[in-house]
Amino acid sequence: QKEVEQDPGPLSVPEGAIVSLNCTYSNSAFQYFMWYRQYSRKGPELLMYTYSSGNKEDGRFTAQVDKSSKYISLFIRDSQPSDSATYLCAMSAQGSARQLTFGSGTQLTVLP
Amino acid sequence: GAVVSQHPSWVICKSGTSVKIECRSLDFQATTMFWYRQFPKQSLMLMATSNEGSKATYEQGVEKDKFLINHASLTLSTLTVTSAHPEDSSFYICSARDSSGGLITDTQYFGPGTRLTVL
Repeated sequence: QKEVEQDPGPLSVPEGAIVSLNCTYSNSAFQYFMWYRQYSRKGPELLMYTYSSGNKEDGRFTAQVDKSSKYISLFIRDSQPSDSATYLCAMSAQGSARQLTFGSGTQLTVLP
Repeated sequence: GAVVSQHPSWVICKSGTSVKIECRSLDFQATTMFWYRQFPKQSLMLMATSNEGSKATYEQGVEKDKFLINHASLTLSTLTVTSAHPEDSSFYICSARDSSGGLITDTQYFGPGTRLTVL
């Protein structure tokens, strides 16, 4: 069993839809949770960073962490074609600057 | 924001040759850099952690004699794939840790990646 499980998709939605991306994990030591966006043939770009349980909102993006269920989510509101990318969840026991464990990534396409 | 560059962005080499990939933090000093590899449609797998001025720490299953890492300065780390073989073909990504702002902003920034193809 992988430490972090993420549905690889692909996921296609129409422009303007609400997108929900999810990851589950098994390591209870994880305290820091990140979402990265990766365009094809590019390095990952940090989108959201959350410590412990709770919600965090940044513009059209909302990250949720439920440590009791070992489940994290990223919601994208009013999705745009420019949001088309692979979204990776990542987790760490020691902070976002330390060793990260990544999910396999979900490929998202937003259709105009 | 913090910028990390990699060079080259892509490289093709013959089997048996060595390839060096550079990772630079352009506007901050990075005491720690990380090297990942990513196969198509798969996630990033950490290969090693590189600390400036000391030996790199390799993840289990990564051959340290094959993947030589040097972190000689606070802005540069290099990964050399020695005696490359076709199975080493992959997307190699580095990241650099920016701890200059303290714990609140301590995070790592990723480079754009280097695509290696070994013929």
